Amino acid sequence: ETVLTQSPGTLSLSPGERATLSCRASQSFSSSYLAWYQQRPGQAPRLLIYGASSRATGIPDRFSGSGSGTDFTLTISRLEPEDFAVYYCQQYESSPWTFGQGTKVEIK
Amino acid sequence: QVHLVQSGAEVKKPGASVKVSCKASEYTFTTYYLHWVRQAPGRGFEWMGIIYPSGEIRIHAQKFQGRVTMSRDTSTSTVYVEVSSLRSDDTAVYYCARDLGGWNFFDYWGQGTLVTVSS
Repeated sequence: ETVLTQSPGTLSLSPGERATLSCRASQSFSSSYLAWYQQRPGQAPRLLIYGASSRATGIPDRFSGSGSGTDFTLTISRLEPEDFAVYYCQQYESSPWTFGQGTKVEIK
Repeated sequence: QVHLVQSGAEVKKPGASVKVSCKASEYTFTTYYLHWVRQAPGRGFEWMGIIYPSGEIRIHAQKFQGRVTMSRDTSTSTVYVEVSSLRSDDTAVYYCARDLGGWNFFDYWGQGTLVTVSS
């Protein structure tokens, strides 16, 4: 089973700042089958990025994804108040599909 | 707009069973893949299995085989997950989630159903 390790656990930033979240896989991907989700308290996850770098429908362009192999990054260029939430990566390279443990982006 | 509406919260005793439903609307139910994923405190997200458009079902064998059953009713556009022999570590929020084109990532999620296992 592929283990995804996200870092940091918590990111304390101010609105308008740039957020950089990391997701590292325990084995290398031959294809960029990695997705990112946002989860606000009490809500279901929302798909942000798939294929490591493709934005889902309706997702603002301040969200971007990059990476390949074992190292992937989600970048939020300028944090808006609604972006303070928990972010999860998920791999769909090899079954069973697995998730990272999450990075919480909190207001500094 | 796709909607996945799940059944309400459940409280069960250890050893019992629970069946959670997920009703889909506003898309052609039999053309998409639907997954069940659970989110447990301290253990994060766990993928449980998938129901294919054909009706075929694949369950995460290692973890859930033998205790988890999935099914669907095309007449009501509803899918189900049933977990038997409940243990305290089955306490979680259970989500159904739609899969865009069979790629195994999830573009729409139900609102979640909290299942609490407690004596």
